[in-house]
Amino acid sequence: QVQLVESGGGVVQPGRSLRLSCAASGLTFSNSVLHWLRRAPGKGPEWVSGIGVGGERETHYADFVKGRFTISRDNSKNTLYLQMNSLRGDDTAVYYCARGFHSSGRCDTFDIWGQGTMVTVSS
Amino acid sequence: DIQMTQSPSTLSASIGDRVTITCRASQSISSWLAWYQQKPGKAPKLLVYKASSLESGVPSTFSGSGGGTEFTLTISTLQPDDLATYYCQQYSSYPPTFGGGTKVEIK
Repeated sequence: QVQLVESGGGVVQPGRSLRLSCAASGLTFSNSVLHWLRRAPGKGPEWVSGIGVGGERETHYADFVKGRFTISRDNSKNTLYLQMNSLRGDDTAVYYCARGFHSSGRCDTFDIWGQGTMVTVSS
Repeated sequence: DIQMTQSPSTLSASIGDRVTITCRASQSISSWLAWYQQKPGKAPKLLVYKASSLESGVPSTFSGSGGGTEFTLTISTLQPDDLATYYCQQYSSYPPTFGGGTKVEIK
């Protein structure tokens, strides 16, 4: 059974850091394009970052996280990461990892999602 | 960034009704449009990709159409399990962007 399981969320003060993890099973992790998305309370899903099979050489970020968040992957552990620094109140959301699929050649749909992990940024 | 606009934001319908949701892109995205269903407390579920291709396992009561800047998701016969919020997403170019959502409620 294909599964993505996020962890690492919690309550953190503004300006602090948090690292999210996403453990994958049931899929060929090293050949999978992976993404982080989020959904803030009362809003729709929002794409955050993506990483290709080439790892660090193939990363994309939403403008609102550039320079603050870093996506990475460890194929030996079948795990995706999101290092989040300089967190702000508007980063409060449920964060999901998802597999990129049905690509247009430039961008993806998201066919497998984790259950999400809540990040609350508050003093 | 490409802006995606959905209408209506809320839709009230009866079980058995035909339901149509519209999504407009701020520029042409060809057929690079997906639809998702999200229920409370759950992750989004991919229903349709490339505007009209049904994801594996999705009931045939769902269908997508359109191209360029105008797209629709149709539920031919609304079932109780279809009560959810539906989102469109463009994947023509980075960053991928979502519409604001359409909440389908029971009348």
